[in-house]
Amino acid sequence: GAGVSQSPSNKVTEKGKDVELRCDPISGHTALYWYRQRLGQGLEFLIYFQGNSAPDKSGLPSDRFSAERTGESVSTLTIQRTQQEDSAVYLCASSLAPPPGANVLTFGAGSRLTVL
Amino acid sequence: AQSVTQLDSQVPVFEEAPVELRCNYSSSVSVYLFWYVQYPNQGLQLLLKYLSGSTLVKGINGFEAEFNKSQTSFHLRKPSVHISDTAEYFCAVSNTGGGNKLTFGTGTQLKVEL
Repeated sequence: GAGVSQSPSNKVTEKGKDVELRCDPISGHTALYWYRQRLGQGLEFLIYFQGNSAPDKSGLPSDRFSAERTGESVSTLTIQRTQQEDSAVYLCASSLAPPPGANVLTFGAGSRLTVL
Repeated sequence: AQSVTQLDSQVPVFEEAPVELRCNYSSSVSVYLFWYVQYPNQGLQLLLKYLSGSTLVKGINGFEAEFNKSQTSFHLRKPSVHISDTAEYFCAVSNTGGGNKLTFGTGTQLKVEL
């Protein structure tokens, strides 16, 4: 597609429920990132996929968080047993690789998660 | 691992005044540097980037930034701001090795007032 597409745009859930967020990157972009942006705060790195390499999961805050990517296409971020602290906008971004195209990110509009 | 520091969380400025948003980075290897902007209720978009070559880079909307290797800085400047420049500005860094992730600073809220 023309841009990075994320769904749902808004999700309200009850504490303890599982949620799944989806990201469709730009076709041909081998790198895909998930970031979290809490209200009034900066971007918090969660996970990074690059081609067929093992993902960099160093930013995932707990084992309740996981993410998958099918080849160089769709990615899903799953949050199990959601907590109120998980409320945030979850941003997906993709980029071309190798440099210099790498890391010039195109961001999606984000998925706003509210945990009641 | 690399890191980015944006010391100013908020910068108020009057319209038509100059502005500088500070960014310092830490890395043991060569870096690429970026500024992204997030306008109110919009997604992030690239403002400008430094990959190599001239240390002074120009971006959209009249912004520019200068890469200073000795001071490990990449400050963003604009000689005369407009109300429409009100936004959150994020500095970001990545190592030049292929496949390395992008690390963002905590952002600076630029508020332009009349």
